[in-house]
Amino acid sequence: GENVEQHPSTLSVQEGDSAVIKCTYSDSASNYFPWYKQELGKRPQLIIDIRSNVGEKKDQRIAVTLNKTAKHFSLHITETQPEDSAVYFCAASPGGLTGGGNKLTFGTGTQLKVEL
Amino acid sequence: EAQVTQNPRYLITVTGKKLTVTCSQNMNHEYMSWYRQDPGLGLRQIYYSMNVEVTDKGDVPEGYKVSRKEKRNFPLILESPSPNQTSLYFCASSRSTGNEKLFFGSGTQLSVL
Repeated sequence: GENVEQHPSTLSVQEGDSAVIKCTYSDSASNYFPWYKQELGKRPQLIIDIRSNVGEKKDQRIAVTLNKTAKHFSLHITETQPEDSAVYFCAASPGGLTGGGNKLTFGTGTQLKVEL
Repeated sequence: EAQVTQNPRYLITVTGKKLTVTCSQNMNHEYMSWYRQDPGLGLRQIYYSMNVEVTDKGDVPEGYKVSRKEKRNFPLILESPSPNQTSLYFCASSRSTGNEKLFFGSGTQLSVL
């Protein structure tokens, strides 16, 4: 099955700096890669996702890049703010509507702390 | 308001006492799933359901049961809970597959003594 590794497990940045979180996956059939943000005591929420037919996707201060050859994808947050402090999870899922297409495998999470 | 509702939020029980965690969504979603969250291990999928009466195992199904008799409900059943099932549980749903935005419930913190 799919194995997703996420690094680093903790990341501390100064407000205004950029933050990068990296994930690798093992199943070459994976083609959907979402990122979820979980604030303390809250539920995970989708912040951005990318499918394998594109290499990069941006949404304001957040961007995700995908390298299918190397089987890794990254989350980039620019101009970090205190409200960006949270745990971030990457995930990967094979394509299709049945079987593997419905098993979303998460990474172990990155605790991001944005310091003033 | 579109939402996934889980109950209870907190549950303390003893080993072997059967329990059910309920999950309900009001978005007419076909796909529903259960995850457990443990420190250092992230979110791990327990079971998922593509539609009514269609369920399948995730990565950590041992010790859990699910049912999908109605589209909106997807209860998680622990027939004989053990301490290693102490965890934070999340129910989630999406429109049709796991390859779309997941809407998570607010979580159930379970402690098995």
